[in-house]
Amino acid sequence: AQSVTQPDIHITVSEGASLELRCNYSYGATPYLFWYVQSPGQGLQLLLKYFSGDTLVQGIKGFEAEFKRSQSSFNLRKPSVHWSDAAEYFCAVGAASGTYKYIFGTGTRLKVLA
Amino acid sequence: DTAVSQTPKYLVTQMGNDKSIKCEQNLGHDTMYWYKQDSKKFLKIMFSYNNKELIINETVPNRFSPKSPDKAHLNLHINSLELGDSAVYFCASSPYEGTNGYTFGSGTRLTVV
Repeated sequence: AQSVTQPDIHITVSEGASLELRCNYSYGATPYLFWYVQSPGQGLQLLLKYFSGDTLVQGIKGFEAEFKRSQSSFNLRKPSVHWSDAAEYFCAVGAASGTYKYIFGTGTRLKVLA
Repeated sequence: DTAVSQTPKYLVTQMGNDKSIKCEQNLGHDTMYWYKQDSKKFLKIMFSYNNKELIINETVPNRFSPKSPDKAHLNLHINSLELGDSAVYFCASSPYEGTNGYTFGSGTRLTVV
């Protein structure tokens, strides 16, 4: 069965520091992988997605993610965090075709120290 | 213009009542979804419609009934509300099969007292 694990419930970084949020997935075939961000009181916004091609994908707001098939991971990174990046981040996996639903991870809450 | 809009944003109601949440998207997407986010932020799909046809119906109590009058609208009606129904309900839409990602609404926070 599909599953997504985000091992870190909370992460705190200082403004300007680098960031890496971890995501591990379990899926029998080639998945679609996504990262979403949820600011307080808001819906989720798509940061980036991966299906095939270059394993390093660029997204909005200066985020990138790297797909590593051997590790079943799709970690999100940002070289320099801004205070406005404080939010909840969700990793999600979807089947390559024939289904319409994603499985979401439990989220990582990012706190940014000034 | 808001791409995916939900109403109401907040809903406080008593146990046993019946309530509806409405969702509209102006993106021309074929597929719409209802997700439930619990108090621990866990997101779980409830229903999905593709061009007015129900395609996903997860294990959800039959007190929850979705309706899609056209592909731009997906409403959620809940009968006999229970305390455990308190959550944030998100509507989302996507092009066919969702492989390009979803566009989410801003959510409806339902509180049952």
